[in-house]
Amino acid sequence: GAGVSQSPSNKVTEKGKDVELRCDPISGHTALYWYRQSLGQGLEFLIYFQGNSAPDKSGLPSDRFSAERTGGSVSTLTIQRTQQEDSAVYLCASSLGGPNSGANVLTFGAGSRLTVL
Amino acid sequence: AQKVTQAQTEISVVEKEDVTLDCVYETRDTTYYLFWYKQPPSGELVFLIRRNSFDEQNEISGRYSWNFQKSTSSFNFTITASQVVDSAVYFCALSEGVGYSSASKIIFGSGTRLSIRP
Repeated sequence: GAGVSQSPSNKVTEKGKDVELRCDPISGHTALYWYRQSLGQGLEFLIYFQGNSAPDKSGLPSDRFSAERTGGSVSTLTIQRTQQEDSAVYLCASSLGGPNSGANVLTFGAGSRLTVL
Repeated sequence: AQKVTQAQTEISVVEKEDVTLDCVYETRDTTYYLFWYKQPPSGELVFLIRRNSFDEQNEISGRYSWNFQKSTSSFNFTITASQVVDSAVYFCALSEGVGYSSASKIIFGSGTRLSIRP
């Protein structure tokens, strides 16, 4: 597609439930990133994928968080046993891999707003 | 470890004033990229500029200019003759360990909320 697509745009869930957030990156972008933005806060790095390489999971806050990227395209961020502190906007971004022109320049999606009651 | 500090949480100026947003970074790498992104009230982040560590030339784009100084590990952003449409949250970011065959982790600062009053 023309841009990075995220779904759902809004998700309200009860504490303890599992949620899945989806990201469809720009076609041809080999790198995909997930960030979390709590209300009025900055962007917290969660994970990134680059091609077929092992993802950098160093930002995942706990083992309740996981992400996968199937076929080098669509990615799903899963939060198990959600807690109220997981409430935030989850942003996905994609970029061209490699050193030239668009490398590391992120195009962001509109985000998925998660509210845990 | 990489770190980006934006000490100014909020700035408010009157339209047409010049304003500078500060960004200080930490990295152990000699090869890295610095970025600025804008998040308008609509929410979606928009890329403004990328600068690699080997290019310390300042850059100007219209009313926007960027001052990169490796000696002070700073990459400051100045808006000249600010306009109400410049109101947004601005983020500075750092990508280190850039390889020739892969992307790399990109860390953002906490952002500076800029309000331009008419």
